[in-house]
Amino acid sequence: QVQLQESGPGLVKPSQTLSLTCTVSGGSISSAGYYWSWIRQHPGKGLEWIGYIYYSGSTYYNPSLKSRVTISVDTSKNQFSLKMNSVTAADTALYYCARDVRGNGHCDYWGQGALVTVSS
Amino acid sequence: QSALTQPASVSGSPGQSITISCTGTSSDVGSYNLVSWYQLHPGKAPKLMIYGDDKRPSGVYNRFSGSKSGNTASLTIAGLQAEDEADYYCCSYAGTNTFVLFGGGTKLTVL
Repeated sequence: QVQLQESGPGLVKPSQTLSLTCTVSGGSISSAGYYWSWIRQHPGKGLEWIGYIYYSGSTYYNPSLKSRVTISVDTSKNQFSLKMNSVTAADTALYYCARDVRGNGHCDYWGQGALVTVSS
Repeated sequence: QSALTQPASVSGSPGQSITISCTGTSSDVGSYNLVSWYQLHPGKAPKLMIYGDDKRPSGVYNRFSGSKSGNTASLTIAGLQAEDEADYYCCSYAGTNTFVLFGGGTKLTVL
């Protein structure tokens, strides 16, 4: 059974960089055909796809966030990470990591989510 | 590209059937057989209910079904149960520029 767990600071100051890591257990992040995703949910709002990465390092981003987001992978640790720079209060959200089958929005495993608040 | 359009809320009584719609465009929902549906309960990880428009993962009750016509996908829940009360989101592949789009979510209330 694949499990994902988000970790990182729950509070980030405005203009700084948000950093989260997703640790994958029960399966290899290097398995072919899976894309490793970040998705967020603003308080009381819907889900927003941030981007995903393939184990080879190829990245794909939401066009509206692309200029501020970097997703990276560390296959030796079975982890992938999200960095979002120049954050504002509008980036306050519950951040999920998930496994996407073939990169088509079909996410079969999800983490529990990590709440990140942007505030001074 | 805008989010897919879902009704904000739907409701039904136990035992009844409900349908949640998800309207996109010919660039996303209408172009690919790649609509997924997710169930979100507060404090729990989202759960995949339908993928590939109408396929049900193992372990999901057959009361849940998906369909699509043109640019609109639908999730139908038959024989509503109290445990089905949750938020439901549709998701579609949207091509090599936008990649993945979610709907705005629908709150299902079981009366």
